[in-house]
Amino acid sequence: GQSLEQPSEVTAVEGAIVQINCTYQTSGFYGLSWYQQHDGGAPTFLSYNALDGLEETGRFSSFLSRSDSYGYLLLQELQMKDSASYFCAVSPLIYNQGGKLIFGQGTELSVKP
Amino acid sequence: DTGVSQDPRHKITKRGQNVTFRCDPISEHNRLYWYRQTLGQGPEFLTYFQNEAQLEKSRLLSDRFSAERPKGSFSTLEIQRTEQGDSAMYLCASSLRVGGASTDTQYFGPGTRLTVL
Repeated sequence: GQSLEQPSEVTAVEGAIVQINCTYQTSGFYGLSWYQQHDGGAPTFLSYNALDGLEETGRFSSFLSRSDSYGYLLLQELQMKDSASYFCAVSPLIYNQGGKLIFGQGTELSVKP
Repeated sequence: DTGVSQDPRHKITKRGQNVTFRCDPISEHNRLYWYRQTLGQGPEFLTYFQNEAQLEKSRLLSDRFSAERPKGSFSTLEIQRTEQGDSAMYLCASSLRVGGASTDTQYFGPGTRLTVL
């Protein structure tokens, strides 16, 4: 099976850098995804790591280390609008080439002025 | 707006009633997923389709739940004899799976919030 662990809450100030960690136990997966969800909104795709290393998309970067069963999302130059829940998710290795996502419980990020 | 749409956005029902939700995916997407999300939790996979074929159902999905995608476009999720524990946000997502790709980005709709009294 698969399970993903994230901190439940993180608080940071505007302009700062914050890192949201995700550790996982899984029998195999294609890659690690990150989604953002504002209160009452739909999850929105942020980033995907198929391979180990760092992926950068604007102010957001994501990292994966399969040997350490660990990944993180890095948010730079924090803005108030970044206050949201952030979810890591894996797409398990199954016979029909993946599909479903298994999500962590989410990290609620609060950005303070 | 060409994103994923869901209808209704909110549904309040009494225990024991049947409810049906609809999802319209992004038009060229061949995969459609249903998830359920409760407060403070991540989305939980329910089932998914590739075109009209239902490829996987979660073991968490009881016999009271059924989903269809008859023409490979929109999908419906029906819950029969609703229970209070069914109260949740039901999310639909779609994606385009191409050839031998190992994964694809899922785009979520706004969800249907179900309250069972």
